[in-house]
Amino acid sequence: ETGVTQTPRHLVMGMTNKKSLKCEQHLGHNAMYWYKQSAKKPLELMFVYNFKEQTENNSVPSRFSPECPNSSHLFLHLHTLQPEDSALYLCASGTRTGVTGELFFGEGSRLTVL
Amino acid sequence: GENVEQHPSTLSVQEGDSAVIKCTYSDSASNYFPWYKQELGKGPQLIIDIRSNVGEKKDQRIAVTLNKTAKHFSLHITETQPEDSAVYFCAASEGGGADGLTFGKGTHLIIQP
Repeated sequence: ETGVTQTPRHLVMGMTNKKSLKCEQHLGHNAMYWYKQSAKKPLELMFVYNFKEQTENNSVPSRFSPECPNSSHLFLHLHTLQPEDSALYLCASGTRTGVTGELFFGEGSRLTVL
Repeated sequence: GENVEQHPSTLSVQEGDSAVIKCTYSDSASNYFPWYKQELGKGPQLIIDIRSNVGEKKDQRIAVTLNKTAKHFSLHITETQPEDSAVYFCAASEGGGADGLTFGKGTHLIIQP
């Protein structure tokens, strides 16, 4: 148990659907992250939020829309996705400055786009 | 930007033997090098990290070494056990905090009984 909870764990959607992924952390961290994990590829950073403000958008297509209503919650809204978007989406939290650079990951949401 | 190469992609060792995973990085400004372990169905979890002012760090059966001149760092696991089977990721970043991590592609470590 890392203190970062992601829902749903599995999601299957068609290309015309709209769905959302949810992430919640109660570790008191000031930063939250969305990563994409595909087979045989490094973890890809998608978005960074610091104290609810988006500080990084790593050239992610607009069909992915993040939302951070407060420091403990992070959403990833999905619409008109492509089959190549099928992957494991990992949420993480951490502190942007300080001694430790540790990221605390959730267990991920496995997304399949048909 | 930073580029991290990790080898091998798959490593199979006999239980009780040692395992070594190697990473190289490209940005000489990187000064923080963590290793994450990802078990099946779970997210990655930090197991050990090292900063560039240290050449080696050890925690029980795991150790990390860093060669700044050659820009490579390695994870060493001794006396491997079945629970060590997982995917291991190295990463590099400049500065403190959780931002700016560039990850390697991962090594699938298989411990043979």
